[in-house]
Amino acid sequence: EAGVTQFPSHSVIEKGQTVTLRCDPISGHDNLYWYRRVMGKEIKFLLHFVKESKQDESGMPNNRFLAERTGGTYSTLKVQPAELEDSGVYFCASSQDSAASSTDTQYFGPGTRLTVL
Amino acid sequence: GENVEQHPSTLSVQEGDSAVIKCTYSDSASNYFPWYKQELGKRPQLIIDIRSNVGEKKDQRIAVTLNKTAKHFSLHITETQPEDSAVYFCAASMGWGGATNKLIFGTGTLLAVQP
Repeated sequence: EAGVTQFPSHSVIEKGQTVTLRCDPISGHDNLYWYRRVMGKEIKFLLHFVKESKQDESGMPNNRFLAERTGGTYSTLKVQPAELEDSGVYFCASSQDSAASSTDTQYFGPGTRLTVL
Repeated sequence: GENVEQHPSTLSVQEGDSAVIKCTYSDSASNYFPWYKQELGKRPQLIIDIRSNVGEKKDQRIAVTLNKTAKHFSLHITETQPEDSAVYFCAASMGWGGATNKLIFGTGTLLAVQP
């Protein structure tokens, strides 16, 4: 079974540009999460999708960040316009539907390292 | 909201020794506590987790203990090996019983096992 995949693995952009990150969850996982780790700090929650619906977006830093999950499969996270403080590693995770599984396990992708210059 | 503190930030041990990493959480509604290991350049991987109805859980050389009263939980690694070297993150969540099951992470512990 393939794990969570993310694209690209690295992205270097200039301040003011736009970047779109993509996450493909494990097949059949209804829950998809975005997290971010900024330089040496903790991994911070951004938002949670259940299928195509946003269940919790309390961690989204501001309206420059837009997450979508059309069709309830893969998700994209767009940053527009990017600022210096957006640099960090963006992780995606997925988990099974709670009704189908007694586990809360979230499986993480390898992350996208974003550098804003 | 929930806050998780993790100590120490770095830990160096000799091969074969034990390593202990400690976390505290603030929200008594949290009921699920996973530990993730992240090797350099790789994804965070779940190594063990514990729920609030259990005080201790063990899996080979790894164990986790939970003290709900004190809101503490700890990771114990015995007979450490060089391949245990990585960053370890603790996390807390309200699990499926709460309004959200987002993970709140600690700041991570860099464990170095010296051969």
